Amino acid sequence: DGGITQSPKYLFRKEGQNVTLSCEQNLNHDAMYWYRQDPGQGLRLIYYSQIVNDFQKGDIAEGYSVSREKKESFPLTVTSAQKNPTAFYLCASKEGRTSGKADTQYFGPGTRLTVL
Amino acid sequence: GQQLNQSPQSMFIQEGEDVSMNCTSSSIFNTWLWYKQDPGEGPVLLIALYKAGELTSNGRLTAQFGITRKDSFLNISASIPSDVGIYFCAGSLWGAQKLVFGQGTRLTINP
Repeated sequence: DGGITQSPKYLFRKEGQNVTLSCEQNLNHDAMYWYRQDPGQGLRLIYYSQIVNDFQKGDIAEGYSVSREKKESFPLTVTSAQKNPTAFYLCASKEGRTSGKADTQYFGPGTRLTVL
Repeated sequence: GQQLNQSPQSMFIQEGEDVSMNCTSSSIFNTWLWYKQDPGEGPVLLIALYKAGELTSNGRLTAQFGITRKDSFLNISASIPSDVGIYFCAGSLWGAQKLVFGQGTRLTINP
């Protein structure tokens, strides 16, 4: 089955600890994205990567870090510097080309992070 | 970052009614997308639109890419309980690698 997987579904962390969220895709997509969603809110872009070993900050990158060592994987680390990390985190991917159908992003099932 | 103006923010309807929601932008978009999100899940793509004026259906759902390229609407006919959720519009500017999202429309259906 082709798709995007995120693990774990629920994650609990103590304040002051770093935590890494996993995102894997087998769609052969070049571009991958991380979004944050707060209750009753829309999606805000954290980081995105268009190709392996390259990534760009989104609108709310402070307190987060990413890596893109493999095409199919784009892990997100929530660091202790993130002031309010409790949220629902969504990973997405799309083809690398620009315009037309290549603009369409597909989402994973999400990870709910709770800081205790 | 830039956002789309999506309306209404919420809708409370009776089962069987038709639903209409829309998104507008001050910028010209190359692509319009409509997603549905169930509680605790990721958004699922409903309809993708790639040409101005395009009208596309997916079962009881119909969406249109506005002629001005600055708006799009989504209609749901004969609503059923499983239509409950949050509907998001998203647009892509020409040459951009990022999507711009609306704030969502929360649909609630009374049986």
